[in-house]
Amino acid sequence: GAVVSQHPSRVICKSGTSVKIECRSLDFQATTMFWYRQFPKQSLMLMATSNEGSKATYEQGVEKDKFLINHASLTLSTLTVTSAHPEDSSFYICSAIFDYGYTFGSGTRLTVV
Amino acid sequence: SQQGEEDPQALSIQEGENATMNCSYKTSINNLQWYRQNSGRGLVHLILIRSNEREKHSGRLRVTLDTSKKSSSLLITASRAADTASYFCATDAKGTDKLIFGTGTRLQVFP
Repeated sequence: GAVVSQHPSRVICKSGTSVKIECRSLDFQATTMFWYRQFPKQSLMLMATSNEGSKATYEQGVEKDKFLINHASLTLSTLTVTSAHPEDSSFYICSAIFDYGYTFGSGTRLTVV
Repeated sequence: SQQGEEDPQALSIQEGENATMNCSYKTSINNLQWYRQNSGRGLVHLILIRSNEREKHSGRLRVTLDTSKKSSSLLITASRAADTASYFCATDAKGTDKLIFGTGTRLQVFP
């Protein structure tokens, strides 16, 4: 149980366009989800905490207007990278809390060309 | 914010040897967890140790936690080539649900 489905797994987009990444909790309700970014050979950096029905809380240094987070239902959180640039190319992973701990999506590799 | 610092950053060993990775963190925690990540893939949860526990075992894994020193270690015994991956500690500080990851250790096990 406690599976988070994340898609797409890979996306390539042109510079200046926007990309949406979805995370769905499949068999539980996730009132809180987290979004992380991981650059090559680095650790996961927490970007924001997404709460169902309220505004996301962003970590220091993360631009909220660039990384739009929507958590409109108890099973879906989305991260939209707006006006993407090559420096936004990264691995994005979502996570959700369930009864026994944390579960992670499989990640989205974003490449901006 | 990056809470955990891990060392070594990279570790290369031969199959059959033991691998030890260390993690230090900064604030009081509820739990500390260890995860594995194969290159470019998702995370695999390995083990969770609560703040009131000092040692935990799971198969070939042994985790210790010293809350007075704010540090933890992960020992993988009798390593295998398949253990080659990056290993991260992660903590959730008291008063928050946020899971903060350490800098990670890249382990390479040569056959």
